[in-house]
Amino acid sequence: QKEVEQNSGPLSVPEGAIASLNCTYSDRGSQSFFWYRQYSGKSPELIMFIYSNGDKEDGRFTAQLNKASQYVSLLIRDSQPSDSATYLCAVSTNAGGTSYGKLTFGQGTILTVHP
Amino acid sequence: DAGVIQSPRHEVTEMGQEVTLRCKPISGHNSLFWYRQTMMRGLELLIYFNNNVPIDDSGMPEDRFSAKMPNASFSTLKIQPSEPRDSAVYFCASRWGFSNQPQHFGDGTRLSIL
Repeated sequence: QKEVEQNSGPLSVPEGAIASLNCTYSDRGSQSFFWYRQYSGKSPELIMFIYSNGDKEDGRFTAQLNKASQYVSLLIRDSQPSDSATYLCAVSTNAGGTSYGKLTFGQGTILTVHP
Repeated sequence: DAGVIQSPRHEVTEMGQEVTLRCKPISGHNSLFWYRQTMMRGLELLIYFNNNVPIDDSGMPEDRFSAKMPNASFSTLKIQPSEPRDSAVYFCASRWGFSNQPQHFGDGTRLSIL
């Protein structure tokens, strides 16, 4: 089992719809969760991060976390063609009991928003 | 504020040559990460430093790869000798604080080994 798994894409939604991106992780000790967006040929760009169970909203983006189910998701409301990109889920793990940990990334989900 | 700065942006070289990639983290950040990204393997962590000290180099593929961070504002990733399978995009990222803080990525170096 991969440490961080994302729903296999590509995901295609019409403009204006809600895009739902899902991610599961295997390490129950993980504390912090990040969503990055990566346009083709560009570097990953941070969208949101979440630490606590529940929802966190930022504009059209909502991150949802359920630690009991080891599940994190990203909802994009009113999807726009400019949202078309690869979305990477990343989960932090601590190094040997310290707080200076690393991120483990999922394989990414390709999202296409068509007009 | 300046972001993470990587150089060169593109590198094309022949197999067997030494390749050196450079990274300047965001000022004030205390952790630095080197990643490699390919279509087949996705984004892989190679090595990371905290306060200039290597913490985890388990992702370094083999002895041909080495990384240094001589000071808080500069790091290098070296491949010697290079092989065609090393062709990938190499990203450097930096972070302030602990693992609950986000990492910020540079624009990457696209490396092609012929």
